[in-house]
Amino acid sequence: NFMLTQPHSVSESPGKSITISCTGSSGSIATNYVHWYQQRPGSAPTTVIYEDNRRPSGVPDRFSGSIDSSSNSASLTVSGLRTEDEADYYCQSYDSNTLWVFGGGTKLTVL
Amino acid sequence: QVQLQESGPGLVKPSETLSLTCTVSGDSIRSSYWSWIRQPPGKGLEWIGYFYYSGSTKYNPSLKSRVTISADTSKNQFSLRLSSVTAADTAVYYCVRQRCAVCYGDYWGQGTLVTVSS
Repeated sequence: NFMLTQPHSVSESPGKSITISCTGSSGSIATNYVHWYQQRPGSAPTTVIYEDNRRPSGVPDRFSGSIDSSSNSASLTVSGLRTEDEADYYCQSYDSNTLWVFGGGTKLTVL
Repeated sequence: QVQLQESGPGLVKPSETLSLTCTVSGDSIRSSYWSWIRQPPGKGLEWIGYFYYSGSTKYNPSLKSRVTISADTSKNQFSLRLSSVTAADTAVYYCVRQRCAVCYGDYWGQGTLVTVSS
């Protein structure tokens, strides 16, 4: 089964940039879209990036997404970090059986 | 503005059936795909399955033998039934809209905690 692997946690200082990776276990991650969700404590997830690199309206351009086929990974980059960016971030893609596949989530701490 | 609201018992006994309903406003059940996703306390997200008004359903293979997702178009609601529950099914359950089968979840309910305990 297709799996997505994320680092358990990352941390960085306010104003800096951070990149969260999401690595596919098999096949090409570029075959299907990757989406990214932000989940603050006690709240439902919200989309910050969809279809690899598109931002929903209302999401600041400090959030960006990309795909690197050479490492079979997707990445979420948050620049100009703010304390409000502290949250769990989940990548999501697809396989033919499970349909939706989530990464394990990454806890972002803004120190 | 699309809104989704989960409802149902917050406590279910082991071996019984968990039943939740999602009431949709601002969109028609007939126009999109509707999923259930759950999150055990302190853990990650797990997709349970989706329903499309044509009657098409798709379930996570790990839950497929116990899951039914259906809809009541007259009430603009869709429902989740999960049978033979155990403590491992304790989770926050979210209902989610997606515009197509492989589209992202663009609208989520606030989530409802279901605890499986005697």
